[in-house]
Amino acid sequence: QVQLQESGPGLVKPSETLSLTCAVSGYSISSGYYWGWIRQPPGKGLEWLGTIYHSGSTYYNPSLKSRVTISVDTSKNQFSLNLSSVTAADTAVYYCARDYPPGLKNVDYWGQGTLVTVSS
Amino acid sequence: QSALTQPPSASGSPGQSVTISCTGTRSDVGGYNYVSWYQQHPGKAPKLMIYEVSKRPSGVPDRFSGSKSGNTASLTVSGLQAEDEADYYCSSYAGSNLGVFGGGTKLTVL
Repeated sequence: QVQLQESGPGLVKPSETLSLTCAVSGYSISSGYYWGWIRQPPGKGLEWLGTIYHSGSTYYNPSLKSRVTISVDTSKNQFSLNLSSVTAADTAVYYCARDYPPGLKNVDYWGQGTLVTVSS
Repeated sequence: QSALTQPPSASGSPGQSVTISCTGTRSDVGGYNYVSWYQQHPGKAPKLMIYEVSKRPSGVPDRFSGSKSGNTASLTVSGLQAEDEADYYCSSYAGSNLGVFGGGTKLTVL
């Protein structure tokens, strides 16, 4: 059974970089599949941020592409999200998930989500 | 890449059927048979209910069904039960390994 767990700071200051990590258990990332990040502002809908393959190939939401970086560390069986120059609008619950095939065709495993608040 | 359009709310009585729509464009919903539906209860992560327009993952009741016509996809919940009350989100493949979600629909079981 694939399990995902997000971790990282729950509070980030405006203009700084939000950094989260998703630890995967029950499956080796290096064996394949695509892995993604999705967020949900409080009381609002879901927004796809981007997806990464174990080889490092990435696909990003065009509206956030200039600020989003997703990376993978197969040795630690985890992947990460960096979102730069954050504002209050980036306050959200951030989910990591298995996005395979890529492009939200079948997001079958999700982490529990972690709330990140952007505030000084 | 704009969000797909869903009605903000839907409702039905126990035992009834309710249908939720999800409207996109030829570049997403209308262009590919890769529409998914997710159920989200308060404070929980979304759960995949339908993928590839009409396929159900193992464990999802057959009361949930999906369809598509042109640029609009639909989720139908038959035999409504109290536990079906939740938020429902559609998503679609939008080409070039990109995806887009709908704004979400709050389903109320009266």
